[in-house]
Amino acid sequence: EAGVAQSPRYKIIEKRQSVAFWCNPISGHATLYWYQQILGQGPKLLIQFQNNGVVDDSQLPKDRFSAERLKGVDSTLKIQPAKLEDSAVYLCASSSSQGSRYNEQFFGPGTRLTVL
Amino acid sequence: AQSVAQPEDQVNVAEGNPLTVKCTYSVSGNPYLFWYVQYPNRGLQFLLKYITGDNLVKGSYGFEAEFNKSQTSFHLKKPSALVSDSALYFCAVRDGSSYKLIFGSGTRLLVRP
Repeated sequence: EAGVAQSPRYKIIEKRQSVAFWCNPISGHATLYWYQQILGQGPKLLIQFQNNGVVDDSQLPKDRFSAERLKGVDSTLKIQPAKLEDSAVYLCASSSSQGSRYNEQFFGPGTRLTVL
Repeated sequence: AQSVAQPEDQVNVAEGNPLTVKCTYSVSGNPYLFWYVQYPNRGLQFLLKYITGDNLVKGSYGFEAEFNKSQTSFHLKKPSALVSDSALYFCAVRDGSSYKLIFGSGTRLLVRP
């Protein structure tokens, strides 16, 4: 089965610019996650969707970050305006909803963002 | 609050020797524990999980992990390391009331030939 797809793989922008990342989860996976992974750290959850509804966005910096999953499949994460500290790898993951607390998450390859 | 600690930034082992990557956790209630591996420029790959039942869990690529409730640990093990096991390993925990997965800071495993 196809894995989680993300694009772009790499992005370099200047501070105060905007950027968007795209994710296509595994087919049939209702739960989608966006993580931020800063160099030397473990991934940190930014937002979790169940179908097209938000389950948890408590760690999403809402003044500059936004995310949507309009049709319950693909998702887009946007940063506007970007700051230097946003430099990180942004990982998308998906999981089946059945027994969701027990299920492993499947991760995409990530988008490496560099803010200059 | 949930937390995960991986006390070693790096573990070095010779090929063919057994390896252990340590993980301790803190949750309220029953823990659900996971190990993931990350190769360079790639996303995380699931290795194994503990939900309930047998304390010794077997996973992908010959890895296993032992759940120890009294020590709140979930150490990753492999009887015989391969050079290709060299990667970054993450332990993660979720408690029974939350959907949120909390990751440790990662341990880099280096297997020398």
